[in-house]
Amino acid sequence: EPEVTQTPSHQVTQMGQEVILRCVPISNHLYFYWYRQILGQKVEFLVSFYNNEISEKSEIFDDQFSVERPDGSNFTLKIRSTKLEDSAMYFCASRARGRETQYFGPGTRLLVL
Amino acid sequence: AQSVTQLDSQVPVFEEAPVELRCNYSSSVSVYLFWYVQYPNQGLQLLLKYLSGSTLVESINGFEAEFNKSQTSFHLRKPSVHISDTAEYFCAVSDVTGFQKLVFGTGTRLLVSP
Repeated sequence: EPEVTQTPSHQVTQMGQEVILRCVPISNHLYFYWYRQILGQKVEFLVSFYNNEISEKSEIFDDQFSVERPDGSNFTLKIRSTKLEDSAMYFCASRARGRETQYFGPGTRLLVL
Repeated sequence: AQSVTQLDSQVPVFEEAPVELRCNYSSSVSVYLFWYVQYPNQGLQLLLKYLSGSTLVESINGFEAEFNKSQTSFHLRKPSVHISDTAEYFCAVSDVTGFQKLVFGTGTRLLVSP
């Protein structure tokens, strides 16, 4: 069964450093999403991406964040200058056209020191 | 804007007992409703969903949820739980149109003991 994959599973970085989180969505899906879950809190929407552009973003998704689909298979989330409060589990999800279910990857746990 | 409330942060229950995990939502537009489950150290997996039609939906592992529009609820139930059902359960909603971002509740940790 096809699944969403994410790399790395864990990443530790210093405050102010750039990080890139990678996702490989399910191959025939066209809608892509990033969510995050700060420890002990709810899962929060960050951004949705369709047709090579951002379709919707939350207030969390400020200028420090960017997304890209560089090669037709990978979907990346870049945090330009990490802050302590960016420490969280980041989930990628994808959805097929005409379908309602989003399929989630296993997540990347980001720790900013 | 939409919101989801899961009032119970943790529900302890004995094996083979029934359980209900509560979910209430608020929205000014029509929504799809979902329950996702997160097992320890894993990602989110879809458990079941309500899109339209019959208000009672079932999963393959014995869970069911009923959409109640008047009470804006989508409670999750199972008549007899197993140890393996121990996990975090998230209720979520999305618009029926547009890009359908998910809005999640805070989650309920189901703890099943022998």
